[in-house]
Amino acid sequence: DIQMTQSPSSLSASVGDRITITCRASQRISSYLNWYQVTPGKAPKLLIYVASSLQSGVPSRFSGSGSGTDFTLTISNLQPEDFATYYCQQSYDTPVTFGGGTKVDIK
Amino acid sequence: QVQLVQSGAEVKKPGASVKVSCKASGYTFTRYGINWVRQAPGQGLEWMGWISVYNGDTNYAPKLQGRVTMTADTSTSTAYMELRSLTSDDTALYYCARARRVEYFQHWGQGTLVTVSS
Repeated sequence: DIQMTQSPSSLSASVGDRITITCRASQRISSYLNWYQVTPGKAPKLLIYVASSLQSGVPSRFSGSGSGTDFTLTISNLQPEDFATYYCQQSYDTPVTFGGGTKVDIK
Repeated sequence: QVQLVQSGAEVKKPGASVKVSCKASGYTFTRYGINWVRQAPGQGLEWMGWISVYNGDTNYAPKLQGRVTMTADTSTSTAYMELRSLTSDDTALYYCARARRVEYFQHWGQGTLVTVSS
């Protein structure tokens, strides 16, 4: 299985901050990397697909980059509704695997 | 608009089975597959497997192989996930999610809480 390692596992930030979450794959996965936002009581929400494509309706303050084994999710100008847990997911091969998650809370 | 509506919460005893449904609307059911993803309390997301609604092909996570069965009924646009021999480790929120295969999950059901307790 392809292991996905996210860092940090948690971070504290303030409204207006710029934050970056990293995701590393245990083998090269080209650009088959997606990012999701999970908030309590809601289904996961797709933010970024194939590493850098912004899902329709997702604010442009979210961006993704990377290829091969190293990927990043950046949130610029953090908003109150962005405090959530973020997961990366590889779709290069089955079994599909997710990172362990990064919880973003209010400083 | 695309909607996936799942069945309600379940409470099961260890050793029992559970079958969760996922009714699709707003698109042609046979043009997309259905994935199942679960999240145990305080844990991350775990992919369980995928079914091609078009031809019934399946791809299950190795750790669940032998305990899980995914099916789809095209007459009612409903996908099902059955998990057998339940243990407390199977207590989780179960989601269905649409994708052609496993490329990315754009649309999700609302989730079904399955609690396994004696």
